[in-house]
Parts: sequence; C-alpha cells; structure tokens
Amino acid sequence: LAKTTQPISMDSYEGQEVNITCSHNNIATNDYITWYQQFPSQGPRFIIQGYKTKVTNEVASLFIPADRKSSTLSLPRVSLSDTAVYYCLVGLFSGGYNKLIFGAGTRLAVHP
Amino acid sequence: DSGVTQTPKHLITATGQRVTLRCSPRSGDLSVYWYQQSLDQGLQFLIQYYNGEERAKGNILERFSAQQFPDLHSELNLSSLELGDSALYFCASSVGHTGEQYFGPGTRLTVT
Repeated sequence: LAKTTQPISMDSYEGQEVNITCSHNNIATNDYITWYQQFPSQGPRFIIQGYKTKVTNEVASLFIPADRKSSTLSLPRVSLSDTAVYYCLVGLFSGGYNKLIFGAGTRLAVHP
Repeated sequence: DSGVTQTPKHLITATGQRVTLRCSPRSGDLSVYWYQQSLDQGLQFLIQYYNGEERAKGNILERFSAQQFPDLHSELNLSSLELGDSALYFCASSVGHTGEQYFGPGTRLTVT
C-alpha cells in the first residue's frame, strides 16, 4: 500500500506564501490528490483537489508535477487563522476498491 | 456546517462494552466514510460505504463493524472496547465514490 509523506510541522508569518509538499511515490493512474484543513476538535475541511498540473481556487493552488509522485499545496498570504493541520489525501484505486490514504498531516503555525 | 450530522457528540463507556455511532450524510450524498483520530494522531481511514455497499476498507479492527442503511445513514459499531479505542470518530460523505468529502463534527469516545 502506498504511503504519503508530509513535513510534520512548518512555521510562517502573516502575509507570506506557504508551500506544503506531499510525497506519494506509488500513486496510480486513476488516483486523485486532495488537501484538507483541520482545526482542533473539528472535522477536516476540503481545500482543493487535483489530478495533474495546476489547480487554483479562491483559497489555494495545487501543483502536481508530470510524474505525479508529489504535490504541493500553496497558500498565498497566510493569516493567523490559517494555523491548522493540513492533510494530503491520495485516493488509491486497487483491485476494485478505493483505498484512501491520509498523510500524517503538517501542523502549520502562522505567527504575527 | 458541512451538512453531515453525527450522534452522539460525546460518549463515555467502560472497557468491554459495545457502542454504536451514527452518521447522517449530506442530502444527496451516496458515500459515507468513517475515520478514527486518536489524540495527536492523524486521520486513520476505517471504511467506506457507497449506496449501501461496502466500497473500501482501511485499518478497521475486527471488533469494529459498520453498515449503511437504505436511507443512507450509517452506523459504526465498536465492541469489546479497549482503552486504546478512545478517540474522535469522524464520518464524512461525498456525492460519488470519490471526490470531495464533507466531514461531520465527530463523536468523541472515551473508554474508561
């Protein structure tokens, strides 16, 4: 079963751009990559999803290189309220079942 | 508010007991997912149901079982509870069997 790897923690300052990378070496052809944000004692919240190249929405961008073995979540101009844990989720299609693998999460701390 | 509801919000029980957690997905969503999150741990995928049928299985113990009913609500049954089962249990739903998941507020289970 493939494994995803993310940095355990990151620090940033208000107004800066933050890039969080997730490695997923065994991603399969049909798999998608999704990022979630989680605040303490709350359920995760969807941020962005992509399959290849670049996806952008109103809160983030997702960059996926051609080999798709990694992905980078980019948060422009972070604020204190972006302090949270960010999870990379890779959907693995295997033998007729989807097996969903969450990364261990990256704890982002945004400082004033 | 994600539209996913989970009951109860909190549950305290003793070792060896059995509990049932309930989840109602967003209106129109056919997939239900169950996750376990222990203290300071990442999200562990347990199981997914799609339109009443088991779709994917993750790290779910044999003491745990789940089902999705014709009205699409789902229940997670945890039996022979151990101290290590204390965790937040999240339910999520999605329209199809892949794609953006909407998470409920979670059920906090404490086993004493």
